[in-house]
This record gives sequence, C-alpha cells and structure tokens, in this order.
Amino acid sequence: AQSVTQLDSQVPVFEEAPVELRCNYSSSVSVYLFWYVQYPNQGLQLLLKYLSGSTLVESINGFEAEFNKSQTSFHLRKPSVHISDTAEYFCAVSEGTGGFKTIFGAGTRLFVKA
Amino acid sequence: KAGVTQTPRYLIKTRGQQVTLSCSPISGHRSVSWYQQTPGQGLQFLFEYFSETQRNKGNFPGRFSGRQFSNSRSEMNVSTLELGDSALYLCASSLGVGRKRTDTQYFGPGTRLTVL
Repeated sequence: AQSVTQLDSQVPVFEEAPVELRCNYSSSVSVYLFWYVQYPNQGLQLLLKYLSGSTLVESINGFEAEFNKSQTSFHLRKPSVHISDTAEYFCAVSEGTGGFKTIFGAGTRLFVKA
Repeated sequence: KAGVTQTPRYLIKTRGQQVTLSCSPISGHRSVSWYQQTPGQGLQFLFEYFSETQRNKGNFPGRFSGRQFSNSRSEMNVSTLELGDSALYLCASSLGVGRKRTDTQYFGPGTRLTVL
C-alpha cells in the first residue's frame, strides 16, 4: 500500500532564507507525485507535480522538487522564501491506475518570519 | 473559467442528524473526488466519481455516501453524524479521462462541518 511521510510538521524560517520541506513515499508501483499548498481557510492548490521525464520539476513561484527514485523522496525546496509563502504544504502520491486515489502526507506548516 | 464551488461553506449539525454537501466541478470536468481533512488524521480520501459511477473508494464507514449527476455535480451524504465527523470536507475535480492519473485535480474551498 502506498503511504506518504512528511518528516517535519512545522518549519520556521526567516524571510529570504532557503527552505527544504521533506517528503518520502512508499509504493510498489509507479507513482505520480505532487506538492499542494493550502493557505488559511482555503482549499488546496497544486504547486507542482512529477509525472515522468526530468526528475526536477519547478513551479512558477520559485519552488522546485526533485524526484529521487532510489531514496523514494520528493523534497520541496525554495532558495529564498517570502512572508507570503507562509502556508501548509502537502506532499501527495497517486498510483498509475484507473481513477484517483491520492494519498496525502500529514502536511508541513511553513512559517516565514520577518 | 469558474473554479470548483462547494456549498454550503459552513454547517453546524448535532449528533445523529444527517447532512448533504454539494460540489460543482469546473465546466468540462467529469471526475469529482471527496476528501475529509481533520487536524488529527490529515487529508483522507473518501471516494471518486466519474460519469455518475463511483470509481474509487477510501476506508470510511457506510454512513458516508455520495453520488454524481449527469452534469457532473456531486453530492456527499453523511448519515447518523458523530462528533468525529467534524472536519473540512474538500471536493476536487479533474478531467478524469484516460487510465493514467496525470491530469490535475482542482480543489474547492471546502465545507466546514461542525457536529455538536
């Protein structure tokens, strides 16, 4: 069965500092990997996704994630964070079979301090 | 293009009652998935509907049910509410076609259900 582990429940960081949010998954079949962001009182928004091809994927707002098959990881990074990046971030995995059954990690709350 | 809409946004019920939540997907999307989000359990998959048929189901009791209409709008129903059903219920829509899960899910703002 697939599962997702986000190793940090909270990550405090100063503005303009780099950040890494860690995510490990387990699955016996090929997977698709996602990072979602949730701002307070809102639904989830897709940040980026890995489906196939290049193992490094980027979002339009400066985040990137690298798929590492040998370490079964999909860590999210940003070289310089802004106050507006404060939110909860969810790593998710979906197996390549018919229909959606996305499994989410517990979430990491990123708190950017001035 | 309008996003995913969920109604109502907030709901307060008492134990033993039943509740129906509604989700209108993005126009043209045929897949609707439901998730329950709680502080203790995080985001958990409830079920997915595609073309009026339940295609996938999570590990929830039979009190949780859903359906999808011909216009792709979906409802989920929870009967005999328990205190533990208090949660944010999120709906997500996607095109849903093709065997591989490569299309993006778009989430609604959620319905916050409080059971007293």
